Amino acid sequence: QQQVKQSPQSLIVQKGGISIINCAYENTAFDYFPWYQQFPGKGPALLIAIRPDVSEKKEGRFTISFNKSAKQFSLHIMDSQPGDSATYFCAASERYSSASKIIFGSGTRLSIRP
Amino acid sequence: NAGVTQTPKFQVLKTGQSMTLQCAQDMNHEYMSWYRQDPGMGLRLIHYSVGAGITDQGEVPNGYNVSRSTTEDFPLRLLSAAPSQTSVYFCASRPRTAAVANEKLFFGSGTQLSVL
Repeated sequence: QQQVKQSPQSLIVQKGGISIINCAYENTAFDYFPWYQQFPGKGPALLIAIRPDVSEKKEGRFTISFNKSAKQFSLHIMDSQPGDSATYFCAASERYSSASKIIFGSGTRLSIRP
Repeated sequence: NAGVTQTPKFQVLKTGQSMTLQCAQDMNHEYMSWYRQDPGMGLRLIHYSVGAGITDQGEVPNGYNVSRSTTEDFPLRLLSAAPSQTSVYFCASRPRTAAVANEKLFFGSGTQLSVL
């Protein structure tokens, strides 16, 4: 049973366009939702994260939108650039659980066309 | 600052062979974990540890063993490798404090394992 569902599996966006990746979760105990970015041959790295007490978090061109009632959150990349081409993973966890596990989505391979 | 170091970077095994994937971190992180990455499956948690002497199973623990004798090291053992264990393996760590119990995971650069 996949606890965090991510879509789409792959995405092609023109340079300057908006890239949108969606995730949904089931466990209402989740209260921390990070996004990780992975370049080929590298390990994932934290990009941006949100907690459910806010509906949106923005860092530069990257924005997380969070809908607690729908148990959904999404990553928006504005003015997408070729350097944004990477695999993106959403994730979820229980922030203060002593045995907390971070569960990842299946990933989205994003390609930005010049 | 080395961060999380994984060795080896590449490994080819025959079915039935055993091996240990090494992971070491120099950030004094209490929490360490192992993930495997497969196409279309994302990152799946194999085992994790919240401190020396404490380990627990993740989503896909079968076929793997771990131990945590020190804060720095968290090796992953394959006792009898199977083709289904062909994957890219990532070790990750993070600090574990009361205030920021679930912040950023630091990943190693991965081990690409092929089991023939």
